[in-house]
Amino acid sequence: DAKTTQPPSMDCAEGRAANLPCNHSTISGNEYVYWYRQIHSQGPQYIIHGLKNNETNEMASLIITEDRKSSTLILPHATLRDTAVYYCIVRATSGTYKYIFGTGTRLKVLA
Amino acid sequence: DAGVIQSPRHEVTEMGQEVTLRCKPISGHNSLFWYRQTMMRGLELLIYFNNNVPIDDSGMPEDRFSAKMPNASFSTLKIQPSEPRDSAVYFCASRLSLGGGADTQYFGPGTRLTVL
Repeated sequence: DAKTTQPPSMDCAEGRAANLPCNHSTISGNEYVYWYRQIHSQGPQYIIHGLKNNETNEMASLIITEDRKSSTLILPHATLRDTAVYYCIVRATSGTYKYIFGTGTRLKVLA
Repeated sequence: DAGVIQSPRHEVTEMGQEVTLRCKPISGHNSLFWYRQTMMRGLELLIYFNNNVPIDDSGMPEDRFSAKMPNASFSTLKIQPSEPRDSAVYFCASRLSLGGGADTQYFGPGTRLTVL
């Protein structure tokens, strides 16, 4: 399974865009990139996923580089409620399709 | 939709006692996962069911842990006997697996277990 690398922590001013990077240099061609977040020990919450193309939904945008070795999650207008740990996951391509959670990025949105 | 339901939300027990955690997946989902989260080890997958059948239990720490899924709407994770090192938050997640493509796991609120 491909591994992911994320910065341990980031700060972002309220109302500004939060850009969270993820490195997944060993990703395989048919592995998806998923993003989840966990707010204060609640269950992880799905945000967005992608394969090759950039994706956008009501929560965030996902930018995947052309070589697929890295991606960036963008929260366009961060609020205090976006303070959480954000996990970038590369989903196993076969077998159990299980997620391997890393240590994530702790995002703190500042007032 | 009520989402994934877990009970109890909090459990405090004494070492040596049996503990049973319960999970109701989202209706219509055909896969169910049990995770454990601790400060030291983060989020770890314990076991995974597909169509009520255990597929991968390689994450189950030892024989004291067992999991069952008697039907599509209910699963249990049992620890017998419990030990203080089992103290953690246990999450259940479910998904609709259509095979091959993208899927999304939806997590429950978790059960915080404390073993004294």
